Amino acid sequence: AQTVTQSQPEMSVQEAETVTLSCTYDTSESDYYLFWYKQPPSRQMILVIRQEAYKQQNATENRFSVNFQKAAKSFSLKISDSQLGDAAMYFCAYRSANTGNQFYFGTGTSLTVIP
Amino acid sequence: KAGVTQTPRYLIKTRGQQVTLSCSPISGHRSVSWYQQTPGQGLQFLFEYFSETQRNKGNFPGRFSGRQFSNSRSEMNVSTLELGDSALYLCASSLVAGGNQPQHFGDGTRLSIL
Repeated sequence: AQTVTQSQPEMSVQEAETVTLSCTYDTSESDYYLFWYKQPPSRQMILVIRQEAYKQQNATENRFSVNFQKAAKSFSLKISDSQLGDAAMYFCAYRSANTGNQFYFGTGTSLTVIP
Repeated sequence: KAGVTQTPRYLIKTRGQQVTLSCSPISGHRSVSWYQQTPGQGLQFLFEYFSETQRNKGNFPGRFSGRQFSNSRSEMNVSTLELGDSALYLCASSLVAGGNQPQHFGDGTRLSIL
């Protein structure tokens, strides 16, 4: 089975600074999708950004961008100009491109934003 | 468009009882997945339903079961509750099963076992 590893249980960043959250995954497949989800203290999980493995270009969504290194099986999330509202638990997730395959989530990184 | 709705939000049960949790997906979404979330464990996949059929199942005992109705609403049942079943149970829906379709999550049901 695929595994997703987030080696940083907790991270902190000063407001307006940049922070990078790490994620590695283990798979033997070549076609898959990667996601970053954010879970604020209010609990509802929301999608931050996603990346298709066949795309070489790193995905970007406003202040959020990823560094996708397929050979290294690494998928880090960079948050620029951090804001207080970015404080949350961040989960990295993997899904195979084969129809019907489940999501695999990492254990999460708790991000604190310091004013 | 209304989001994913989970009921109830909170539930307190005692060991040995059973419980049923409900999830109404976003209108038009046909895939529903269930997860158990506990501190330090992240999200553990329970099962996924699509068009009333279970497509995937995680590594949980048979006490955990689910079903999906023709309107895509889903229920999850846990029988013979154990203390270790205390967790936040999240439901997520997507248009179809698989692919790059993101999952949209509900607020969850917080289950506490006494």
